[in-house]
Amino acid sequence: NAGVMQNPRHLVRRRGQEARLRCSPMKGHSHVYWYRQLPEEGLKFMVYLQKENIIDESGMPKERFSAEFPKEGPSILRIQQVVRGDSAAYFCASSSQASGISYNEQFFGPGTRLTVL
Amino acid sequence: LAKTTQPISMDSYEGQEVNITCSHNNIATNDYITWYQQFPSQGPRFIIQGYKTKVTNEVASLFIPADRKSSTLSLPRVSLSDTAVYYCLVYSSASKIIFGSGTRLSIRP
Repeated sequence: NAGVMQNPRHLVRRRGQEARLRCSPMKGHSHVYWYRQLPEEGLKFMVYLQKENIIDESGMPKERFSAEFPKEGPSILRIQQVVRGDSAAYFCASSSQASGISYNEQFFGPGTRLTVL
Repeated sequence: LAKTTQPISMDSYEGQEVNITCSHNNIATNDYITWYQQFPSQGPRFIIQGYKTKVTNEVASLFIPADRKSSTLSLPRVSLSDTAVYYCLVYSSASKIIFGSGTRLSIRP
């Protein structure tokens, strides 16, 4: 049973280019979360998606960032016109359910390290 | 959302027991206490979760007092491979997880 998969693992972009980060959740998981982590800091929540729906994007910057989780295929985090401040590790996680007073574990992928030159 | 407070860093030696305490004074009735571990260049990994009293698995133990305003993660007989950042999280819904800065644990030979 493969875990959460992310690709690419490393991505280098020049300022102004677009970055596309992909996340395939664990089999059977329909909830996907994206986080950003700067060096020496904790993870910062960005967005929570279910299939074809954005549930919570309160952590997503208002401009240049978008996310989707289509009916078929991986979840995509898209960053347009990247700037140096976008350099970070971006982690995707998935879970089988998101609410309720019960055991809810998020399974994390290995992350994509984005470097903006 | 309950905020957690934990030490920024801790040092210990191989073979010792390590206890990391986390404060969560405004924990809600529905909140669970969960600990994650993160190695460099990897995503966080679930360690243990509990609601009250004591929980033990093959990796760690989690002690939660009756008032639930704090919790202690206990790692028995640590090894060098336990060097990592440990995050204490408090939440009831997996859609509302907030990671703090964690505790950077360093294990020495």
